[in-house]
Amino acid sequence: DAGVTQSPTHLIKTRGQQVTLRCSPKSGHDTVSWYQQALGQGPQFIFQYYEEEERQRGNFPDRFSGHQFPNYSSELNVNALLLGDSALYLCASSPFGGAAPPSGADTQYFGPGTRLTVL
Amino acid sequence: SQKIEQNSEALNIQEGKTATLTCNYTNYSPAYLQWYRQDPGRGPVFLLLIRENEKEKRKERLKVTFDTTLKQSLFHITASQPADSATYLCARPSGSARQLTFGSGTQLTVLP
Repeated sequence: DAGVTQSPTHLIKTRGQQVTLRCSPKSGHDTVSWYQQALGQGPQFIFQYYEEEERQRGNFPDRFSGHQFPNYSSELNVNALLLGDSALYLCASSPFGGAAPPSGADTQYFGPGTRLTVL
Repeated sequence: SQKIEQNSEALNIQEGKTATLTCNYTNYSPAYLQWYRQDPGRGPVFLLLIRENEKEKRKERLKVTFDTTLKQSLFHITASQPADSATYLCARPSGSARQLTFGSGTQLTVLP
């Protein structure tokens, strides 16, 4: 059973460019969340997708957008890249998009991340 | 603001000792806290969840406590091993409880 996969592993871009990161959730999971993790910091929530719609959003500008496909995979797009966008971008999936988790807690299963460097 | 804070200082301990990591929260009462392990260049891996009505939760050599009076969770690794060296993250639910807010993590190094 494959876990969460992300591509590419590493990416180097220059300021002002646009980037697309991809994520395939764990089998059986229908909800995908994206996090940004700067060096030495904990992950910060960007947004969450369920049923192909953005369900929740963190404190990130509109330059950050996403998409979820019918097979539950997801993309994160960042436009007009800034130096400060350099970070590890993590995708996380969970299986309880349509209902409250039986345990009452939504454990996240993370992928290995995409390391984005903006020069 | 609703903060979740971990001791950002790195923790070095000798193999075989018990490592204790701290997670403090302010201005709210989370229904639960989660602990994750993260190795360099990898995504976090879920370890344990403890609810506000639970005093303690154990899993093999791991133990988590939740003190709602002190607004603090402690994460213990007993009989620590060099393979336990990693960054440990504390997280609380936020938004509609379908997202997590993480602390900055504590980097643990177990010395052989």
